[in-house]
Amino acid sequence: EVQLVESGGGLVQPGRSLRLSCAASGFTFDDYAMHWVRQAPGKGLEWVSGISWNSGSIGYADSVKGRFTISRDNAKNSLYLQMNSLRAEDTALYYCAKDYGDIVATIGIHYWGQGTLVTVSS
Amino acid sequence: NFMLTQPHSVSESPGKTVTISCTGSSGSIASNYVQWYQQRPGSAPTTVIYEDNQRPSGVPDRFSGSIDSSSNSASLTISGLKTEDEADYYCQSYDSSNAVFGGGTQLTVL
Repeated sequence: EVQLVESGGGLVQPGRSLRLSCAASGFTFDDYAMHWVRQAPGKGLEWVSGISWNSGSIGYADSVKGRFTISRDNAKNSLYLQMNSLRAEDTALYYCAKDYGDIVATIGIHYWGQGTLVTVSS
Repeated sequence: NFMLTQPHSVSESPGKTVTISCTGSSGSIASNYVQWYQQRPGSAPTTVIYEDNQRPSGVPDRFSGSIDSSSNSASLTISGLKTEDEADYYCQSYDSSNAVFGGGTQLTVL
């Protein structure tokens, strides 16, 4: 059974940093691309970032480019999102997601985690 | 920037068929695969269609996806509606190497 378990969310002040983690199990992690997708309270889904199986291809939404960094450790079956210079508009539930394929921008998301909540507020 | 536009809401009666559209703002929607995700209230999304018209295992064949190049749109059709189908539905495709989601459609089954 595929499991994606996010952690690291919480309340953080504007301008500060936070690092999200996603522990993956139930599949061969280094065979697949991974994504972070967020959902602000009462709003729709917003793609944040994606990373290919070998970290060779990475993409970011314009809204987070230059502030967020996605990475993965295939030896630890883990995905990460380093979030710097956080803003109030980054407040959202952040989902870790597994792609159908090994590179970003080909097929799409297969499995979703349950999300970790990030609240940016003073 | 490439955008996907969905109707804000649709409603239909149990047992009927409903179609949700997803229109691309530019280029050809057929150039990249379209996916559809279902999100019930208080739950994480799940995938109901991938690669335009493929169903993940466990998704009933009441769900189908299609592409219409002439209108540059994708569609999700749900037949034999059940109350459990009431949810938000999101289409998703790609703009270069970035994923793009539609704004979501709230389906009410009444």
